[in-house]
Amino acid sequence: AQSVTQPDIHITVSEGASLELRCNYSYGATPYLFWYVQSPGQGLQLLLKYFSGDTLVQGIKGFEAEFKRSQSSFNLRKPSVHWSDAAEYFCAARARSATNKLIFGTGTLLAVQP
Amino acid sequence: GAGVSQSPSNKVTEKGKDVELRCDPISGHTALYWYRQSLGQGLEFLIYFQGNSAPDKSGLPSDRFSAERTGGSVSTLTIQRTQQEDSAVYLCASSLGGVSGELFFGEGSRLTVL
Repeated sequence: AQSVTQPDIHITVSEGASLELRCNYSYGATPYLFWYVQSPGQGLQLLLKYFSGDTLVQGIKGFEAEFKRSQSSFNLRKPSVHWSDAAEYFCAARARSATNKLIFGTGTLLAVQP
Repeated sequence: GAGVSQSPSNKVTEKGKDVELRCDPISGHTALYWYRQSLGQGLEFLIYFQGNSAPDKSGLPSDRFSAERTGGSVSTLTIQRTQQEDSAVYLCASSLGGVSGELFFGEGSRLTVL
């Protein structure tokens, strides 16, 4: 069955430190891949997406993600975290076939300490 | 409006009552999605509309759940005979359609069943 796994439920980093959020997918063929962020009291916002081509994808707010086919991973990174990055982050995937269903991971809650 | 609008933002109901949740997508978006977000469960796909038809309703948890979309625009998610386990945030998203189309999310309707 198609699935997206985010192994880290909760992560705490210090402001200014680097960040990596893990995401693994299980699909028959490489899906389209997405990262969304959900800030408290707000809707989900798209950070970045991977369709094809360059495996390092740049997104908004200084985030980037790297697609690794061999590891079925699409990890999200940021070189220096800001306090405003505290939020919940969701990895998602969608098959390249006719189905339009976007499948989400369970999310990683990021806390940023001063 | 400019974004996806959902109403009500909060709904408290008694077990056994029926509830209706409304979603007003971005104008011109042909695809519309309903997801359910429960604590620690991530986002669970419920149903997808393309125009007024629902090619994928595989995520509806039981026959107490139904959804419709009229005029290719507004959608209503109805939950009959609500149960406590239905308590969650119900999120609606819309997109221009196509497999690679970005989903734009509303802020959700928080349902509490007492």
